[in-house]
Amino acid sequence: GNSVTQMEGPVTLSEEAFLTINCTYTATGYPSLFWYVQYPGEGLQLLLKATKADDKGSNKGFEATYRKETTSFHLEKGSVQVSDSAVYFCALIMDSNYQLIWGAGTKLIIKP
Amino acid sequence: GAGVSQSPSNKVTEKGKDVELRCDPISGHTALYWYRQRLGQGLEFLIYFQGNSAPDKSGLPSDRFSAERTGESVSTLTIQRTQQEDSAVYLCASSPGTRGDNEQFFGPGTRLTVL
Repeated sequence: GNSVTQMEGPVTLSEEAFLTINCTYTATGYPSLFWYVQYPGEGLQLLLKATKADDKGSNKGFEATYRKETTSFHLEKGSVQVSDSAVYFCALIMDSNYQLIWGAGTKLIIKP
Repeated sequence: GAGVSQSPSNKVTEKGKDVELRCDPISGHTALYWYRQRLGQGLEFLIYFQGNSAPDKSGLPSDRFSAERTGESVSTLTIQRTQQEDSAVYLCASSPGTRGDNEQFFGPGTRLTVL
């Protein structure tokens, strides 16, 4: 079946450090890929998405590239801020379906 | 415009009681989802409504769980005879429901605590 695996947290970094949160997927077909973010005390919100291979999603300084050859969608940011502290979820959806398949989430802690 | 709203935001109940959770989706969104998020875990799909089609109930964990949706508006998730293992955050999401536009918009959730 379809699944998403993302790196376990928490990930703790200093402000202005480079961030990578790994996400790999298993899917029969060609999914759309998403990163959602859940800030403390807030609801889940879409951070970025990519709908086909080699697409790059970007938002708020975060980027992720849909890599079909490695079935990956790693989240990156060049210089993190304390305000980026949150839980990040990688997810996929098949075009023929409607269910988002979720990773377990990665908690990111940024220290000043 | 208004986002997805859920009520109550917090619910504390005693084991064995029934609870009802409410979701108001974004106006015009035909698709509506319920998820459960246990502490420190990812989202667990519960049920999906799309327009007037029969809902996909495949994620409901037991027959104590049920959900209804009135047309393309409000949905209620009911948990009967609550158990401590039902304690979690229950999230509702809606989406336009059209092919190629499947972004889900989430409500703030209802935190359920079963004592």
